[in-house]
Amino acid sequence: SAVISQKPSRDICQRGTSLTIQCQVDSQVTMMFWYRQQPGQSLTLIATANQGSEATYESGFVIDKFPISRPNLTFSTLTVSNMSPEDSSIYLCSVEDRLSYEQYFGPGTRLTVT
Amino acid sequence: KQEVTQIPAALSVPEGENLVLNCSFTDSAIYNLQWFRQDPGKGLTSLLLIQSSQREQTSGRLNASLDKSSGRSTLYIAASQPGDSATYLCAVPAGGTSYGKLTFGQGTILTVHP
Repeated sequence: SAVISQKPSRDICQRGTSLTIQCQVDSQVTMMFWYRQQPGQSLTLIATANQGSEATYESGFVIDKFPISRPNLTFSTLTVSNMSPEDSSIYLCSVEDRLSYEQYFGPGTRLTVT
Repeated sequence: KQEVTQIPAALSVPEGENLVLNCSFTDSAIYNLQWFRQDPGKGLTSLLLIQSSQREQTSGRLNASLDKSSGRSTLYIAASQPGDSATYLCAVPAGGTSYGKLTFGQGTILTVHP
């Protein structure tokens, strides 16, 4: 199974600022996924990040708001830009084991926007 | 579009009881189904993954079943313990070329009291 770490674990940010969340995996993976979990809600996929290409965004999410980098096969970042209180959520990255198809998640980043 | 529903939304049981959590999905053409556990404010822990060709998977006190034709899965927890208290989520791949794009249910909040 993959071991995933995220930084920061939590942050409190002011409206209008940006926060970059880091995701590190202990093994090389082709695709990494970013999810959002709003308070009291389930998880929603934001985008899929492939190394060496543009991220693919789901309906309702745009690159200007959630730019993603994927510089190598073990690391990705998600930036939440021009934040508003509605962006207060837990942001999680995940990877897929291509042999078992099991999905593994990081511990999440709890973001509060004031 | 795949939709995943979990029943009940919340469940409170005394320690030692056996219990069943339900998950249903609208599109039966799934590759697999995965059950997760989420502790408050934390990331997701994978519990069990059932491939589309399987009917059951077991891990310790947990048993998950899958009936693709009826679009249903159940998670059976035997001899529940207070440490089992958490939110349980089921998820299925959204389809396409990647198994990693998951669609989640809303979760069942389980409380096991001593």
